[in-house]
Amino acid sequence: DQQVKQNSPSLSVQEGRISILNCDYTNSMFDYFLWYKKYPAEGPTFLISISSIKDKNEDGRFTVFLNKSAKHLSLHIVPSQPGDSAVYFCARGRGNDMRFGAGTRLTVKP
Amino acid sequence: NAGVTQTPKFRVLKTGQSMTLLCAQDMNHEYMYWYRQDPGMGLRLIHYSVGEGTTAKGEVPDGYNVSRLKKQNFLLGLESAAPSQTSVYFCASRSVSYGGYTFGSGTRLTVV
Repeated sequence: DQQVKQNSPSLSVQEGRISILNCDYTNSMFDYFLWYKKYPAEGPTFLISISSIKDKNEDGRFTVFLNKSAKHLSLHIVPSQPGDSAVYFCARGRGNDMRFGAGTRLTVKP
Repeated sequence: NAGVTQTPKFRVLKTGQSMTLLCAQDMNHEYMYWYRQDPGMGLRLIHYSVGEGTTAKGEVPDGYNVSRLKKQNFLLGLESAAPSQTSVYFCASRSVSYGGYTFGSGTRLTVV
């Protein structure tokens, strides 16, 4: 039961352009969504989150949008940098019931 | 500031062998978690602990046992390893007041 789905396993963008990573969820019970970033041979690190009372949250170059009617969230990175190349996981839930998507590998080309 | 430390980083086991993965955190976090990451599956919760001496099952607990005898340590045991347990294992912790998880760098386990 994959309650969080990232349908694009990979994404490649040019440096300076926008990266858009997408995530769909199937259970509306959970009201908190997060994005994690993972480099090779490292653990995931927290990037940005959003509560269901909001539809947008911004932190520097990173913005997360939440469309509750479509059960969809997206992460925008503007402008993309080569150091952003990593695997990005979306997650939903709060507390001890955190569910993660399968991840999207972002490659930012110089 | 070490954060969350996992040992070992790599291990190869033969089917039927047992082993214990150790997770240690130095942030005085109450909550600790064990996840496994498999291709196309994301991170799946195996077991978790909300405090010293307490553990609970997650999404995929079968074949694993855990113990939290000290607040800073969370052990994951495999009593009889199977090839299906080949995976990358991540430990994470968080404080009561903050929702974000701090992850360790992972243990890559191969069962042959």
